[in-house]
Amino acid sequence: QSALTQPASVSGSPGQSITISCTGTSSDVGGYNYVSWYQQHPGKAPKVMIYHVSNRPSGVSNRFSGSKSGNTASLTISGLQAEDEADYYCSSYITASTLYVFGTGTKVTVL
Amino acid sequence: QEQLQQWGAGLLKPSETLSLTCAVHGGSFSAYWWSWIRQPPGKGLEWIGQIDHSGGTSYNASFQSRVTISLDTSKNQLSLKLNSVIAADTAVYYCASHCSGTNCYYGFDTWGQGTMVSVSS
Repeated sequence: QSALTQPASVSGSPGQSITISCTGTSSDVGGYNYVSWYQQHPGKAPKVMIYHVSNRPSGVSNRFSGSKSGNTASLTISGLQAEDEADYYCSSYITASTLYVFGTGTKVTVL
Repeated sequence: QEQLQQWGAGLLKPSETLSLTCAVHGGSFSAYWWSWIRQPPGKGLEWIGQIDHSGGTSYNASFQSRVTISLDTSKNQLSLKLNSVIAADTAVYYCASHCSGTNCYYGFDTWGQGTMVSVSS
């Protein structure tokens, strides 16, 4: 099972909106509404930001939103803040022996 | 609120067995399920395997022959064993829960703090 494809880096200025894409296939992203997104600051464990494509866990800012179209899922961060600078990973559930696949990761830089 | 605390040996020689434990504090141990995930230095995340509250397991095909995930329900702990380690198994290993409160989903909600495991002769 290949990793999902994400852009290596995305940047934006404070207050702007950015979108991170996560491209897979009909066997993973396109086949199920089970995409999740994780934020990881250096040296820290990942933190879930979105699950099941567009659901936000309790405590996660509503500046984070998720969507999906075909084989590509997206994470949008609106009102970009300095604290949003981190690595972001997508993940998709798949019904194979390997249940989950992650994206290649995107480094978000706040200019 | 569930919390995960993990520990285990941090330095191994090639061919040895990696052994990590993750203690589950809070939450509903009898209803949840958990995964182990790893992250090589400077690289992305990789799912290793999953266990549910009844002990049912699923493993990444890449680890199938080397990995065992188990539960100790008397201690509210889960463990990971990876046999015959090589240098490429050097990574931070995380345990993660798929559940928060009464909500379980196909993603990773709560994460342990991570354990760095290095494999070197």
